[in-house]
Amino acid sequence: DAGITQSPRHKVTETGTPVTLRCHQTENHRYMYWYRQDPGHGLRLIHYSYGVKDTDKGEVSDGYSVSRSKTEDFLLTLESATSSQTSVYFCAIGGGSGELFFGEGSRLTVL
Amino acid sequence: EDQVTQSPEALRLQEGESSSLNCSYTVSGLRGLFWYRQDPGKGPEFLFTLYSAGEEKEKERLKATLTKKESFLHITAPKPEDSATYLCAVHWHTGKLIFGQGTTLQVKP
Repeated sequence: DAGITQSPRHKVTETGTPVTLRCHQTENHRYMYWYRQDPGHGLRLIHYSYGVKDTDKGEVSDGYSVSRSKTEDFLLTLESATSSQTSVYFCAIGGGSGELFFGEGSRLTVL
Repeated sequence: EDQVTQSPEALRLQEGESSSLNCSYTVSGLRGLFWYRQDPGKGPEFLFTLYSAGEEKEKERLKATLTKKESFLHITAPKPEDSATYLCAVHWHTGKLIFGQGTTLQVKP
């Protein structure tokens, strides 16, 4: 168990509403990542963080923002949710290589 | 364009029937190739890291191998509990990590 938790695990919301997903780790890893997983697309990186207040964009960052004010917490925010953001979101932690530890996922449905 | 392709998309085996999953990549400058297992409703779980051609790693019934352009995940005498989606990911020299779309394995008793 890599000591990583995501919340909420399930959420249904309406188009245009803001949504925040939280990732919390107890492993003190420097790197934290947000991925989305969709059928036919696999896992795609949204944003990642390489330290407190240090974040960068991934390949599908449009419509998403992130914040990391503490080592253990990494927040993903959808400012105005759209139906195309219906997905399963995974948080991952790691040391900067491809060896990642993933959370259990957050299933988001945007109606 | 950097690309990671896994084949087949789905694989059905009888218990004890050995087979291999493939992960091919198109760009040089590999930093590492990673295999993950994902069970339904769960996050991916790290299995192996391979860094150079010729390298092999083993864990129970699984063996991962690496050449210059592809990796294989060999499954020997699989059991139903090996049923899962297997993902590979490639870490480029640029720092990018790209996942393949996965192979869904079903092992029937």
